Amino acid sequence: EAGVAQSPRYKIIEKRQSVAFWCNPISGHATLYWYQQILGQGPKLLIQFQNNGVVDDSQLPKDRFSAERLKGVDSTLKIQPAKLEDSAVYLCASSLASTIQYFGAGTRLSVL
Amino acid sequence: AQSVTQLGSHVSVSEGALVLLRCNYSSSVPPYLFWYVQYPNQGLQLLLKYTSAATLVKGINGFEAEFKKSETSFHLTKPSAHMSDAAEYFCAVSGTGGGNKLTFGTGTQLKVEL
Repeated sequence: EAGVAQSPRYKIIEKRQSVAFWCNPISGHATLYWYQQILGQGPKLLIQFQNNGVVDDSQLPKDRFSAERLKGVDSTLKIQPAKLEDSAVYLCASSLASTIQYFGAGTRLSVL
Repeated sequence: AQSVTQLGSHVSVSEGALVLLRCNYSSSVPPYLFWYVQYPNQGLQLLLKYTSAATLVKGINGFEAEFKKSETSFHLTKPSAHMSDAAEYFCAVSGTGGGNKLTFGTGTQLKVEL
């Protein structure tokens, strides 16, 4: 069974530029999560989707971050414009009905 | 609100020694508790989970954890450390209700020395 796929693995941009990350969850997983992991910290939930609807986006900085999950499968997370403090690893996870979340390898973003 | 506190951002043990990584939780509802491991440049992998069944939970790679409600703890242990156990370990909590939102601790970096 294929795991959670994320791309790109690494991205370097300058501040004020825009960037997008892509996630393909495990087939059949209705719930998809985006986490931000800043160096030295644990992952923090940014947004959670159930199929193509948003369940929780309370910690998403909506002035610059946006996410969508068209057709309830793939998802894209966008940052526009990026700030230095957005440098982090962005992790995507998916889950079925159980409590277990399966994580992708992440996208490491460096904002210069 | 839920949170976890991991005591010790860095733990160093000798190969073959006991591994003990500490996690204390705070939750207003009965919690589900998890330990994840993260190897360099990889995503998080589930080690084990507690979901209100047996309080002693066995996971992969010889790890286990015990849920102690009276101490609000969920410490991770392994009797004998192996070099391949060197990684970062995260404790996480979620509520037993819908949503499954995970709240992570700040992580403990485990170093295994010869």
